[in-house]
Amino acid sequence: ETAVFQTPNYHVTQVGNEVSFNCKQTLGHDTMYWYKQDSKKLLKIMFSYNNKQLIVNETVPRRFSPQSSDKAHLNLRIKSVEPEDSAVYLCASSIDWGDYAEQFFGPGTRLTVL
Amino acid sequence: GQQVQQSPASLVLQEGENAELQCNFSTSLNSMQWFYQRPGGSLVSLFYNPSGTKHSGRLTSTTVIKERRSSLHISSSQTTDSGTYLCVFPYQGGRALIFGTGTTVSVSP
Repeated sequence: ETAVFQTPNYHVTQVGNEVSFNCKQTLGHDTMYWYKQDSKKLLKIMFSYNNKQLIVNETVPRRFSPQSSDKAHLNLRIKSVEPEDSAVYLCASSIDWGDYAEQFFGPGTRLTVL
Repeated sequence: GQQVQQSPASLVLQEGENAELQCNFSTSLNSMQWFYQRPGGSLVSLFYNPSGTKHSGRLTSTTVIKERRSSLHISSSQTTDSGTYLCVFPYQGGRALIFGTGTTVSVSP
């Protein structure tokens, strides 16, 4: 049963454009994450929000910005996409923050930058 | 770098057979998670297993922290068990997740 929802599933755009990805979780969790998946083996965390507060902001380029209206939503905006931004972006949630907590993932958004 | 090895890489089963999937980590860990994924599908959490043995229906996960390994046992396999099984562990204090290479399971009727 899907409880972490992402839109869109796919997005193809050109260099320099702005894109926004949406994520919503219905699990009542306090913490949400955005990961970038460049390969099958490694997901790198980009941002994490705990109950609407940004608690992790890894050294991602400034063109990436998270947006959260409440603890159930965490969107990702990319101001001016670059070719290296092509990847799958995965949203996840966990019950709280701390030592690694069980992650629940959305289906992912595949971004292709031409 | 950190590595997660899974074995076997693929497994073909007849419905009703049991299977054991292995996951070995190259570094010490505090917790790990097993996921299931159908082709093109989402990652579905099966077990969050810091240590010990956990059961869920026909699935059993056993993690031995000191030995840096975890196993997933499927009993009485069904065709709906077909898919890819991935083990995951966090590193850098949870700032990154490393996925194993995956075991692709195919169960035929």
